[in-house]
Amino acid sequence: DTGVSQNPRHKITKRGQNVTFRCDPISEHNRLYWYRQTLGQGPEFLTYFQNEAQLEKSRLLSDRFSAERPKGSFSTLEIQRTEQGDSAMYLCASSLTTGMTGAFFGQGTRLTVV
Amino acid sequence: DAKTTQPNSMESNEEEPVHLPCNHSTISGTDYIHWYRQLPSQGPEYVIHGLTSNVNNRMASLAIAEDRKSSTLILHRATLRDAAVYYCILRDVSGGSNYKLTFGKGTLLTVNP
Repeated sequence: DTGVSQNPRHKITKRGQNVTFRCDPISEHNRLYWYRQTLGQGPEFLTYFQNEAQLEKSRLLSDRFSAERPKGSFSTLEIQRTEQGDSAMYLCASSLTTGMTGAFFGQGTRLTVV
Repeated sequence: DAKTTQPNSMESNEEEPVHLPCNHSTISGTDYIHWYRQLPSQGPEYVIHGLTSNVNNRMASLAIAEDRKSSTLILHRATLRDAAVYYCILRDVSGGSNYKLTFGKGTLLTVNP
C-alpha cells in the first residue's frame, strides 16, 4: 500500500493522559498536513510541514498539542493532558510541493477521551 | 478564505447522473475550485479540480460557470459506492502549492439502489 498510513486507527484514553499518533506520508511527498474532524463537521486544518519545517499552525492547535516531522519523513502528533473535547478524528494528508495533484489523506486516527 | 455554499444533502438513484452544485460568489482570480469526497469512516479523497475551464477525469466532470461564481460536480452514473459527503473547496494558489484546505459541511449524497 503506497497511500498515507496512520497509526493507531483507534485510541481510547483517559482524560489527563498523553497520546501520540503517527503518520507515514506518501514517500515522495514533501508536504504533510494534520487535520481534525468532529462528528458532522468537515475537517479543520491544524498544521503543516514542508520537509521537517513546521510552516504553519492553526489557532486550534493549543499548547497541549505538538507535532513533529523529524528528517522530513513520518510525523507525530502528540496531545498532552487530554480533555474530552479532544475526542475527534485526526487526519493526516500529504502532497507534493509542485504540481496540482491534490492532497492525499490517510484513514485517520479516531481518539476517544473518557 | 472565500466561502462556498452547498446543499446539505441530495439523493440520487443508482446508474443515474448526479449534479452536485456549489456556489462561490466571492471567488478570487487565484482560487482553484477543488472537490473532495469522504466515504463513511474514511479520510477525504481528491475528486477533481479546475480554474476556469470544464474538466473531466475518470471519477467525475467539473462544470464551471463563465463568471466562476458557481460550479457543478457531475457524476455521470452514480453507483452505491459514490454515497459520500462531497466537499467543494476554494484553494488559493497565490501562496504556492499549499493544501491548507478549508472544508465546509459538504453535501451528503445518498444513492438509492
